[in-house]
Amino acid sequence: QKEVEQNSGPLSVPEGAIASLNCTYSDRGSQSFFWYRQYSGKSPELIMFIYSNGDKEDGRFTAQLNKASQYVSLLIRDSQPSDSATYLCAVIRTNFGNEKLTFGTGTRLTIIP
Amino acid sequence: ETGVTQTPRHLVMGMTNKKSLKCEQHLGHNAMYWYKQSAKKPLELMFVYSLEERVENNSVPSRFSPECPNSSHLFLHLHTLQPEDSALYLCASSQGKGRGTDTQYFGPGTRLTVL
Repeated sequence: QKEVEQNSGPLSVPEGAIASLNCTYSDRGSQSFFWYRQYSGKSPELIMFIYSNGDKEDGRFTAQLNKASQYVSLLIRDSQPSDSATYLCAVIRTNFGNEKLTFGTGTRLTIIP
Repeated sequence: ETGVTQTPRHLVMGMTNKKSLKCEQHLGHNAMYWYKQSAKKPLELMFVYSLEERVENNSVPSRFSPECPNSSHLFLHLHTLQPEDSALYLCASSQGKGRGTDTQYFGPGTRLTVL
């Protein structure tokens, strides 16, 4: 079982619609959860992180965490063509003071004008 | 410069060459990381340095040798690489306080091609 699983996509969403990206993780000791966006040929850039159950909103982005079900999701409202990218889910488990950030393979999102 | 910088941005080397990748962070962070990103695979953590001490080495082959002379600089020395080592090598840094909420910031990466 992969430590962090994402549907590789591609996920196609019409412009202006809500894009929903999902991620599941296997380690119940995971403490923090991150969403990165990576454009083709570029390095990952942090969108947001969440570590408490529930929703966290930042502009058009909402991260949702459910630790009991071991899933985390990212919603993008009013999708724009510039949102087309690969979205990486990552989780951290701290082990004796050392953070280990584990990534999923990413979901490729395409916003259709 | 701000954030995390990496040089060179592109590198082509033969299997017998020796080269080094450089990373510098201007964020006052205490921890630095090397990752490898290959096509269709998750980002792979290679090395972690916290306060200049290596704390994790995920069974990386010895042909990759990291060096962290201070908390702002990180190197990855390469020698006798294989074609399968061709990938994007990313450096990241974080505050490194071990609280599980540490956010990592990535550099632009070095695209390495081994011929």
